Amino acid sequence: AQSVTQLDSHVSVSEGTPVLLRCNYSSSYSPSLFWYVQHPNKGLQLLLKYTSAATLVKGINGFEAEFKKSETSFHLTKPSAHMSDAAEYFCVVRNQGAQKLVFGQGTRLTINP
Amino acid sequence: NAGVTQTPKFRVLKTGQSMTLLCAQDMNHEYMYWYRQDPGMGLRLIHYSVGEGTTAKGEVPDGYNVSRLKKQNFLLGLESAAPSQTSVYFCASRGTPTGANVLTFGAGSRLTVL
Repeated sequence: AQSVTQLDSHVSVSEGTPVLLRCNYSSSYSPSLFWYVQHPNKGLQLLLKYTSAATLVKGINGFEAEFKKSETSFHLTKPSAHMSDAAEYFCVVRNQGAQKLVFGQGTRLTINP
Repeated sequence: NAGVTQTPKFRVLKTGQSMTLLCAQDMNHEYMYWYRQDPGMGLRLIHYSVGEGTTAKGEVPDGYNVSRLKKQNFLLGLESAAPSQTSVYFCASRGTPTGANVLTFGAGSRLTVL
């Protein structure tokens, strides 16, 4: 079975400081992992994905994530937060060959001026 | 613009009424999904389809039905709406050429059941 745990329901940082959104996963097979972002009253947009290539994955808007198999983690980071990063972020896992994708509960990121 | 279109965007129903949400995609994707989003619970899969004429249950299928008569359309039906079905519903699709692993989402449909 596959599952995803986002360790923080809410993260608040100041503009210009680093962002860390934590995600742990459970998967029986080689997983594909994703981060999606949802701005208020919008649909979800793909930020980045890991599909068994490079373990450090770069996404849009300066975000990146590192796949660490030994820690079963896929944390999302950004060196310097911008006001426009305020949104809800979802970590998603899919087992190889599986039809379904499993979403974490989401982390709401707030950026303080 | 290519993508996933959901209609309607907003709807208010009374308990016991029925309605259908329509999802249309113009990317020739094989796979289509219906999710519901509730605060603090992320997205939960209701039903999905791996191709025209096929449907399958997800995590929370009770109270919903779906049909995929045409490849581009995936309909979600509520036969007898209940207040517990108040939610935001998202349709998504995936397949070539946008990438077998990547979901493309619609903008969402906000449903309120009184």
